[in-house]
Amino acid sequence: AQSVSQHNHHVILSEAASLELGCNYSYGGTVNLFWYVQYPGQHLQLLLKYFSGDPLVKGIKGFEAEFIKSKFSFNLRKPSVQWSDTAEYFCAVKAPSSASKIIFGSGTRLSIRP
Amino acid sequence: DAGITQSPRHKVTETGTPVTLRCHQTENHRYMYWYRQDPGHGLRLIHYSYGVKDTDKGEVSDGYSVSRSKTEDFLLTLESATSSQTSVYFCAIGNAQAQETQYFGPGTRLLVL
Repeated sequence: AQSVSQHNHHVILSEAASLELGCNYSYGGTVNLFWYVQYPGQHLQLLLKYFSGDPLVKGIKGFEAEFIKSKFSFNLRKPSVQWSDTAEYFCAVKAPSSASKIIFGSGTRLSIRP
Repeated sequence: DAGITQSPRHKVTETGTPVTLRCHQTENHRYMYWYRQDPGHGLRLIHYSYGVKDTDKGEVSDGYSVSRSKTEDFLLTLESATSSQTSVYFCAIGNAQAQETQYFGPGTRLLVL
């Protein structure tokens, strides 16, 4: 069965620090990968996605993620965080043949100190 | 934002009462989903629909039922609410293509006393 692991439950950074949030998945076949962000009190918004091609994916608000197939990883990065990046971040995986079921990780809460 | 609305946005109810949450979309997407979000669990799929009158169970479907009589509406019903169903419920839609992205509604916060 598919599963997604986000090992960092809560990350605290100062403004301008670099960010890397880990995401590992267990599915062995071809996958689609996503990062969603949930700002306080809001719904989930798509940050970026990987379907195929260049394993380095750029998303909105300066975020990027790298798909490393050999490590089953899809880590999220941002070179310099801002206070407005305070949010919860969810990694998700979908197998193209899975009848549209997306499996979410448990989320990483990011707190940015101004 | 995708055209997805959820109603009600907040609800407080008592154990044992029935509750129905509504998701409405204006995107004409074929697939619709209900998730619940709980601390430490991320989002877990309750039920989903792949067309009018076509639904299937997700990983946490016990105690929930769904109905979809129109493309634009997907209802989630708690037949007899329990305190363990206190959660935030999100509806999502997708277009069911191979490279599908799901888009989420604003959520419904449900408290079962």
